[in-house]
Amino acid sequence: KAGVTQTPRYLIKTRGQQVTLSCSPISGHRSVSWYQQTPGQGLQFLFEYFSETQRNKGNFPGRFSGRQFSNSRSEMNVSTLELGDSALYLCASSLIGLAESTDTQYFGPGTRLTVL
Amino acid sequence: QQQVKQSPQSLIVQKGGISIINCAYENTAFDYFPWYQQFPGKGPALLIAIRPDVSEKKEGRFTISFNKSAKQFSLHIMDSQPGDSATYFCGGGTSYGKLTFGQGTILTVHP
Repeated sequence: KAGVTQTPRYLIKTRGQQVTLSCSPISGHRSVSWYQQTPGQGLQFLFEYFSETQRNKGNFPGRFSGRQFSNSRSEMNVSTLELGDSALYLCASSLIGLAESTDTQYFGPGTRLTVL
Repeated sequence: QQQVKQSPQSLIVQKGGISIINCAYENTAFDYFPWYQQFPGKGPALLIAIRPDVSEKKEGRFTISFNKSAKQFSLHIMDSQPGDSATYFCGGGTSYGKLTFGQGTILTVHP
């Protein structure tokens, strides 16, 4: 079974631009969560989608948004990029997103975003 | 608000030694406590996890010890190997796909 895939793996953008990142979950998984990883803040939860609906949201500004399609693939968008948005963006998929031992979150390799 | 505090930030252990990483949590709503292992250039991968109704869980060389009253849990890696060198994250989980992670511990195992 293929793992979680994320595209692109690397991105370089300039301040003020917007960016869209893509995540394809493991086949059969319907929950997709997004995280931002930085050296200073560690791994921080952005949001979670299930059946095309956002069910949970972290403490990030409205410039960070996402969506999920009917095939469970998810995209994350960041508008008006700031230098501080430089990070590794990880998505994780699970069967139904119950965050329990029977519903493990599997992470993708991440998209490394650099904002200049 | 940092809901999961992890220590130490970095740890150096000799091959064959025991690695111990500690976490303390604040949110009593957490009902799932995973440990993830991350190698450079890779996403985190689940290592072992525990529910709060269990005080200890062992899988091979990895053991989680859980103290609900103290709101603390720890990861013990027995017979540490150079291949265990990675960053380890503890976490707390609630429903709807949200994991709250500690800051991470960089483990280096010297041969």
